[in-house]
Amino acid sequence: GAVVSQHPSRVICKSGTSVKIECRSLDFQATTMFWYRQFPKQSLMLMATSNEGSKATYEQGVEKDKFLINHASLTLSTLTVTSAHPEDSSFYICSAYGTGNTGELFFGEGSRLTVL
Amino acid sequence: SQKIEQNSEALNIQEGKTATLTCNYTNYSPAYLQWYRQDPGRGPVFLLLIRENEKEKRKERLKVTFDTTLKQSLFHITASQPADSATYLCALGLSDMRFGAGTRLTVKP
Repeated sequence: GAVVSQHPSRVICKSGTSVKIECRSLDFQATTMFWYRQFPKQSLMLMATSNEGSKATYEQGVEKDKFLINHASLTLSTLTVTSAHPEDSSFYICSAYGTGNTGELFFGEGSRLTVL
Repeated sequence: SQKIEQNSEALNIQEGKTATLTCNYTNYSPAYLQWYRQDPGRGPVFLLLIRENEKEKRKERLKVTFDTTLKQSLFHITASQPADSATYLCALGLSDMRFGAGTRLTVKP
């Protein structure tokens, strides 16, 4: 199956700093990737759809200036949490559809962000 | 607004029994419904996809049903094992996939 890798898996930062999370498709090309955040015992909430070579599409209520998404190549999308605050602490997960038309989403391992 | 409800936040069963998890949805007519497994601190892993014109799908010990009239999907794990303990998420749609909050299944030896 397709492999999606996220880095870093854990990050702790001070309030006010920016944090970048990378999502890579290792063995396939992904023109579209999705970013989710998940709070404890809650559902995955779709934040944005990342499109290679164009602007990301953000879900309602997600601040695009706060969560910067860049999808500069067919194998890499990045999410930058700018001026992070403690309420941004969460589990961030990316996903992509593999090749073929199976409808199966492949997820990264997730990135746990803790803002002090 | 669209809602996806997984009725039980947690389900505890004895090893060897069949686990049945429920996913109900409202204000939605998805052409696809999927089930994923998520272990603590990890990303979800795909299990099964069922289309709106399919009533039932099986894969090894897993079975999924999809009732578009009731707007409900049932997910069954037969002959459950402690290794099946995880959170199971239902997801609707494809390009704009939405997830339920999940049911945390614990299978006791």
